[in-house]
Amino acid sequence: AQSVTQLGSHVSVSEGALVLLRCNYSSSVPPYLFWYVQYPNQGLQLLLKYTSAATLVKGINGFEAEFKKSETSFHLTKPSAHMSDAAEYFCAVSISNDYKLSFGAGTTVTVRA
Amino acid sequence: EAGVAQSPRYKIIEKRQSVAFWCNPISGHATLYWYQQILGQGPKLLIQFQNNGVVDDSQLPKDRFSAERLKGVDSTLKIQPAKLEDSAVYLCASSLGYRGSSYEQYFGPGTRLTVT
Repeated sequence: AQSVTQLGSHVSVSEGALVLLRCNYSSSVPPYLFWYVQYPNQGLQLLLKYTSAATLVKGINGFEAEFKKSETSFHLTKPSAHMSDAAEYFCAVSISNDYKLSFGAGTTVTVRA
Repeated sequence: EAGVAQSPRYKIIEKRQSVAFWCNPISGHATLYWYQQILGQGPKLLIQFQNNGVVDDSQLPKDRFSAERLKGVDSTLKIQPAKLEDSAVYLCASSLGYRGSSYEQYFGPGTRLTVT
């Protein structure tokens, strides 16, 4: 079975600083990987996804993630944090041809002015 | 395009009572999912429908939880009787299909259930 581990339940960054959220996956077959964002009292919104094409994936709101098979990682980055990036972020994995998602525990991002 | 609708948004009940949640997916989406999100955890899939048939309900506690999607459109999730550990946000999501990478899941705002 596939799973993901998100390192760090809380991340605090200054406005304008780099945002780095870590995600490591476990899968016996090539995975599909996703990052979702959840704003307070809202559902999840897809930021970006990796589905075995380019290893560097660009998403919405200036986020990107790089699939590194050798490190079994799919870390999410944004060069310059904005106050509106304060939210909870979830990494998720599915295996090809089976779209059931397994989510990590989430990382809460706070942005300091 | 309207998103996934859920109601109610909030519900407080006492343990051993029953509760029902409703979800209306995006028009044309054949696949519907119910997730349970306990505070501090990621969403966990409870049940997945393809049209009005169940694809996966392996994680659904069937002694107290039930779900249906009678006409392949909207869906209800019921808990009877509720336990304290059922306190969570219940998320509904829908997608065009469920096989292949192009089938993005779209999530509703969720129903926050508190069992006292």
